[in-house]
Amino acid sequence: QVQLQESGPGLVKPSQTLSLTCTVSGGSISSGSYYWSWIRQPAGKGLEWIGRIYNSGSTNYNPSLNSRITISLDTSKNQFSLKLSSVTAADTAVYYCARAESGWFDAWGQGTLVTVSS
Amino acid sequence: SYELTQPLSVSVALGQTARITCGGNNIGSKNVHWYQQKPGRAPVLVIYRDSNRPSGIPERFSGSNSGNTATLTISRAQAGDEADYYCQVWDSNTLYIFGTGTKVTVL
Repeated sequence: QVQLQESGPGLVKPSQTLSLTCTVSGGSISSGSYYWSWIRQPAGKGLEWIGRIYNSGSTNYNPSLNSRITISLDTSKNQFSLKLSSVTAADTAVYYCARAESGWFDAWGQGTLVTVSS
Repeated sequence: SYELTQPLSVSVALGQTARITCGGNNIGSKNVHWYQQKPGRAPVLVIYRDSNRPSGIPERFSGSNSGNTATLTISRAQAGDEADYYCQVWDSNTLYIFGTGTKVTVL
């Protein structure tokens, strides 16, 4: 059974870049027809899809965040990563990594809280 | 952009049936998926492609989708079903869209 685990700094200063990594275990990130996504949730609010990467390295991003997002893959470490630039307090949220195959997310990480504050 | 609207909250008596709606323009033409999220936890998939249950999800959870409304039904509600529930669809523009979320309270 695949498991996902987010890691990265819990505190980021405004205007800086948020960087998170998702480590996948129990399966290879480069096999199968899976898309690997980042999703976030501000405290007390709903879920927002950020972007995804396929095992080929192709990416798709939420148009509302497109200019600030980079998602990359490291198959040697079975990881994928998120970089979100020019962060503000509005980017404070729990960030989840998740796996999707056919339009839905069947596996999620436990989530990691990132706070943007000076 | 495509939007999914859910009621803010739904209350259900213990052992009764809860119905959570997800409204969207012609949502019946899309595949709808549902997630359960308990406080401090990651979402868990409970229904995919309108009405299919992943392994391990009780038969008490069922789904339907037609016209402009998709519905998640929880039969014989239990205290452990208290959670936030989100619908989700795939959209050609934003790709993955989530509903606004519904808090289910079991009385």
